Amino acid sequence: AQTVTQSQPEMSVQEAETVTLSCTYDTSESDYYLFWYKQPPSRQMILVIRQEAYKQQNATENRFSVNFQKAAKSFSLKISDSQLGDAAMYFCAYRTHNDMRFGAGTRLTVKP
Amino acid sequence: EPEVTQTPSHQVTQMGQEVILRCVPISNHLYFYWYRQILGQKVEFLVSFYNNEISEKSEIFDDQFSVERPDGSNFTLKIRSTKLEDSAMYFCASSEQQGPYEQYFGPGTRLTVT
Repeated sequence: AQTVTQSQPEMSVQEAETVTLSCTYDTSESDYYLFWYKQPPSRQMILVIRQEAYKQQNATENRFSVNFQKAAKSFSLKISDSQLGDAAMYFCAYRTHNDMRFGAGTRLTVKP
Repeated sequence: EPEVTQTPSHQVTQMGQEVILRCVPISNHLYFYWYRQILGQKVEFLVSFYNNEISEKSEIFDDQFSVERPDGSNFTLKIRSTKLEDSAMYFCASSEQQGPYEQYFGPGTRLTVT
C-alpha cells in the first residue's frame, strides 16, 4: 500500500523567510505523481504544485518549489519569501491512476 | 473560472439516517472523486468514478456508501445508514483526465451525525 508521511505536524516561519516542508512516500510503482495542496482555514483544498515522477527536473511555481528525490522517495516543498497568506495546512499527496493518498499535513504559521 | 460546487455546506443528521451529498463537477471533466476529512485528520480517498462506474475505491468505501451520476451534471455520495464516525468534511473533486492533471476540489460538505 502506498503511504505518505509528513513528519512535521507544525512549522513556523518569519515573514519573507524561506521554509521547507518535508514529505516522504512509500511505493513500488514507477509511474506516479506527487502534489502539494494547501488548505487554509476555509478548508478549501488548493493545488500548490505538482511533479510527475518521470521528470527529473524539480517543479517550480513562483515562490513554491520542490526538491524531488526519487530514489529516496522524498518530495519536499520550499516556500520562499513567505507571506502571511501562506499560513495554512499543507498536505503532500501521492497519486497513481485514480487513487490519491494524502499525508497527515503540516500546519504552517507565518509570523509577521 | 469554472469551479466544483457542493451542497449543502453543512448537513446535520441523526445516526441511522440516510444522507445524500451533492456535487456539481466542472462541466467538461470526466473523472470524479469523493474524499473525506475527519476533523483534525488527513484527507482520505473514498472513491473515483468514470464513465458511469466506479473505477477505484478505498477500504473506507464499504456497502454503506454509494455514488451516482443521476444526470449530466450532478455527482452524489449516499450514505445509507449514518454512524457517528461518519462525521467529517466530505470533498468532491473532478479532473479532466487521469494522471497528473489537477483535481479541482469543491468547498466541502460538513456532515455532522448526532
